[in-house]
Amino acid sequence: QKEVEQDPGPLSVPEGAIVSLNCTYSNSAFQYFMWYRQYSRKGPELLMYTYSSGNKEDGRFTAQVDKSSKYISLFIRDSQPSDSATYLCATRKSGGGSEKLVFGKGTKLTVNP
Amino acid sequence: DARVTQTPRDKVTEMGQEVTMRCQPILGHNTVFWYRQTMMQGLELLAYFRNRAPLDDSGMPKDRFSAEMPDATLATLKIQPSEPRDSAVYFCASGLALQGTEAFFGQGTRLTVV
Repeated sequence: QKEVEQDPGPLSVPEGAIVSLNCTYSNSAFQYFMWYRQYSRKGPELLMYTYSSGNKEDGRFTAQVDKSSKYISLFIRDSQPSDSATYLCATRKSGGGSEKLVFGKGTKLTVNP
Repeated sequence: DARVTQTPRDKVTEMGQEVTMRCQPILGHNTVFWYRQTMMQGLELLAYFRNRAPLDDSGMPKDRFSAEMPDATLATLKIQPSEPRDSAVYFCASGLALQGTEAFFGQGTRLTVV
């Protein structure tokens, strides 16, 4: 079993839809949780960052972590065609910044106009 | 506009040839990561450096892969000899430890070994 599991999709939704992306992880030592967005032929870019359990909102994006069930979610409201990308969840153990990350395989999202 | 720069962007080589990928981390960052991305495995950590010293290279096949940081502005990843199964996108990322900043990724090197 991989340390981080993510449904690869693909996921296709109409513009304006609410999108839910999810990951599960197995190691309870993971404390920091991130979502990266990766456009085609580009490097991943950090989208959201949360520490421990709870919600974090940034514009149309909400990241949610439930440590009791080891479940990570990203919600996108009012999705736009420009949100079409691959979304990768990532996690790491505690410690200073820039410690090594463990990634999910990514979910490819297409938002259709 | 600070960014991680990787060269080359694309590389096609024949099996058995040596391949060298280069990375210029963001100025001032003291941590450099090498990741490999494939459809089957996703993003996998190969190695990472802190202040130019290797911290973890357990994800790297030791017999053919080597990673170095000759100086603070250059990280290299070499494969010798290359094999078709090495075909993947190789990403370099850099970050600054102790300030809680997450890693910034380069655009990647797309390697095809034929």
